[in-house]
Amino acid sequence: DIQMTQSPSSLSASVGDRVTITCRASQSIRSYLNWYQQKPGKAPKLLIYTASSLPSGVPSRFSGIGSGTDFTLTISNLQPEDFATYFCQQNYNSPFTFGPGTKVD
Amino acid sequence: QVQLVQSGAEVTKPGASVKVSCRASGYTFNTFYMHWVRQAPGQGLEWMGIINPSDGTTHYAQKFQGRVTMTRDTSTSTVYMDLSSLRFEDTAVYYCARGVGYGSGTHDSWGQGTLVSVSS
Repeated sequence: DIQMTQSPSSLSASVGDRVTITCRASQSIRSYLNWYQQKPGKAPKLLIYTASSLPSGVPSRFSGIGSGTDFTLTISNLQPEDFATYFCQQNYNSPFTFGPGTKVD
Repeated sequence: QVQLVQSGAEVTKPGASVKVSCRASGYTFNTFYMHWVRQAPGQGLEWMGIINPSDGTTHYAQKFQGRVTMTRDTSTSTVYMDLSSLRFEDTAVYYCARGVGYGSGTHDSWGQGTLVSVSS
């Protein structure tokens, strides 16, 4: 199975900050990397797919980059509604493993 | 719009089984795979398996092989996840999630989650 790691596991930030979260795969997953946002008591929400593509409705302050084994999620100009936990996930092959999450508070 | 509506919370005992349903609407049911993902309290997300609603074929994570069964009912656009031989550590919120993109492994829509509590 492909192992996914994230760093940091948590971070403290303020409104208006630029936040960067990294995700690393144990082997190359090309660009098949998704990012999800989860708020307490809610289901995850797709934030970025295929490393850098934003689904319709996701604000442009979210961006992703990377390929192979190393990926980054950046939130520019952090907004109050962005305080949440962020998970990466590889969809290169099954099982579609998730990273352990990064809590932004 | 796409909606996935799951069945309600369950409380069950060790060794028993639980069946969670997920009813899809807002799209053609047969054209997208459906996944099950679980999340233990305070923990991360764990992928359990996938079902092709078109023909019912399934693929399960090795960890759950022999204990999980995913089925579907095309007449009601509903998928089911049955987990047997429950253990305390199976206590979690179980989500269904639609699969899109490469390998159908991107989850663009999620159910609201079903809490399964295993307690003696």
